[in-house]
Formats: sequence, C-alpha cells, structure tokens
Amino acid sequence: GESVGLHLPTLSVQEGDNSIINCAYSNSASDYFIWYKQESGKGPQFIIDIRSNMDKRQGQRVTVLLNKTVKHLSLQIAATQPGDSAVYFCAEGGLYNFNKFYFGSGTKLNVKP
Amino acid sequence: GAVVSQHPSWVICKSGTSVKIECRSLDFQATTMFWYRQFPKQSLMLMATSNEGSKATYEQGVEKDKFLINHASLTLSTLTVTSAHPEDSSFYICSARDSRNNQPQHFGDGTRLSIL
Repeated sequence: GESVGLHLPTLSVQEGDNSIINCAYSNSASDYFIWYKQESGKGPQFIIDIRSNMDKRQGQRVTVLLNKTVKHLSLQIAATQPGDSAVYFCAEGGLYNFNKFYFGSGTKLNVKP
Repeated sequence: GAVVSQHPSWVICKSGTSVKIECRSLDFQATTMFWYRQFPKQSLMLMATSNEGSKATYEQGVEKDKFLINHASLTLSTLTVTSAHPEDSSFYICSARDSRNNQPQHFGDGTRLSIL
C-alpha cells in the first residue's frame, strides 16, 4: 500500500527571522489546541495552547492563531534562534473526547545561523 | 514543573520477547495517562488511554492483547509489548495529566524499542 508521512515538511529560516508553521486540523468538534516542540530522541514539549473561544494567543516569542472557519492553526515564532530547531506538532482535542489529543503530521524547523 | 519519567529509555531484545515500559508521574497524580507510538519522521499516534483502576481504552486498530496496559496506581502506568516482533520496533511515548487541574498533558522522553 501507499506509504504516507515518510517525510516531514521542512521550514528553513535564517536566525533572527520570524517563522510561521501551519497546521490543518480535522475535527470541527475540537475545542482545545496545543503546539508541541519535539527535539530528536525526546518527548514533545508544550509550547502554547489555545481554546476554541479565542482566535489568538501570545506567549514569549510565540503566537498561536486559530481560524475555526477553515480549521487552521498557525504558530509564529519571533526572532527565531538555533535552539528553536526541532519538529513542531499541533495537537487537537478537548473535553468532547475526554481530553485525548491527536497530533498533526509535523513540520521540521531548521534555523540557519 | 511536572515531570513524567519513562523507563527504560532504550531497549533491544530478541523477537518473541515481551517488553515492559514504565511511565511515572514524579510530582503529581495522574488518573489518566496516554500511550503513543511514533515511527521515524512521523507524527505521534495515540494508542490507548490508561485509566487508573480500570481497563485501558484502545484506539481503533490497536491490538489490546498485543499492547497490555496496566495503571495500578496514580503515578504509574505500564505498557507491555507482548511477543514482540521487528515490526513492533518504534519509539513509544507516554503522557500524563495532572488530576488536580486542567493543564495539558506532560510527556515522557520516550522509549526506543528495537526488536531483532
């Protein structure tokens, strides 16, 4: 059968530039979304979350935007640093499914010094 | 902050062996833990929800007799891969939710399982 997901899309940015990572989610019932960062050989690390009653949330150097109309989520990283190089996943879930979360396919961020 | 510990971090064993992976919440109680599987360059796939004191609930397509889950205490869940074969080789990751609040799951650093 067809193999899918063998290659993570990669975003390459110059150190100091802003990065935008996008994610399309599938379930319109999802009411809670999280962005995770995963470094090689480690578990996912929480970055920022957003609930469906918001369309924007800001953290330290990161902003998450939620567009429920088109089921789209984005993560903006300001002044990207080499330490930001990792794979980024969005996860969708919420109270409707007892707080189980399903992960998107991921994007590899490569920050060039 | 909350810490979730997995053990072992890496295991190699022969085909046919059963392998147990532990997931512990170190500084909080977790009535619910989750087990994920991740193949190289792919996303995390939710396998099952581990519920303290009751049976685990498995995602569609995950064999419950193959992946035995036990959540006997509020700080420990175990995943046993029974009669493991090379196709079971993967990165297994657990996560736990703090029972006291509505914070997101905290993840362990995973267990790399290699079956020869």
